[in-house]
Amino acid sequence: NAGVTQTPKFQVLKTGQSMTLQCAQDMNHEYMSWYRQDPGMGLRLIHYSVGAGITDQGEVPNGYNVSRSTTEDFPLRLLSAAPSQTSVYFCASSTWTDQETQYFGPGTRLLVL
Amino acid sequence: GDSVTQMEGPVTLSEEAFLTINCTYTATGYPSLFWYVQYPGEGLQLLLKATKADDKGSNKGFEATYRKETTSFHLEKGSVQVSDSAVYFCALSPRGQNFVFGPGTRLSVLP
Repeated sequence: NAGVTQTPKFQVLKTGQSMTLQCAQDMNHEYMSWYRQDPGMGLRLIHYSVGAGITDQGEVPNGYNVSRSTTEDFPLRLLSAAPSQTSVYFCASSTWTDQETQYFGPGTRLLVL
Repeated sequence: GDSVTQMEGPVTLSEEAFLTINCTYTATGYPSLFWYVQYPGEGLQLLLKATKADDKGSNKGFEATYRKETTSFHLEKGSVQVSDSAVYFCALSPRGQNFVFGPGTRLSVLP
């Protein structure tokens, strides 16, 4: 049981490049979400999903796309990276019946030049 | 909207010192309250939680009491260890809705 895994751990992009941050969980959790962590601002919700085929926007969705084709995977896409997207990104998951117990991945550190 | 305020630190203590990290919140209704901990290079882990007024959450020697009258959820530990060095996040979850996190407090414990 690996829990929540994220790849890559660290990535450097140039402005305008695209990339996908991967997130997978092996706990059969229905609920998955993406957060970004910035200094002095805590974690802010980007997008979330309550099950395969269902996604919704969080607090800061602009510049990011998501999809949920399987229960296990919830990738986050940056279509055209901007320096403002430099951050640490965390994926989290939980069961539908206990959303208050979130399991977090180790994070992806992204630097956009 | 809902929000969480906490002291940002950094907080530096000597081993065996008493720890308090203040957290206050603004929310409509009656949210659940949480403390998460992030050790260096890792993701967040749930430390403790409380779901209603006057509840006390506790884990690993840490405690926090849900104070509705003061809208607070302060984290305390009687004797910190070097291994407690981490970033601590206070958070709330309105019933059935997404989390709101505070900015985090970095704690460094010196031997």
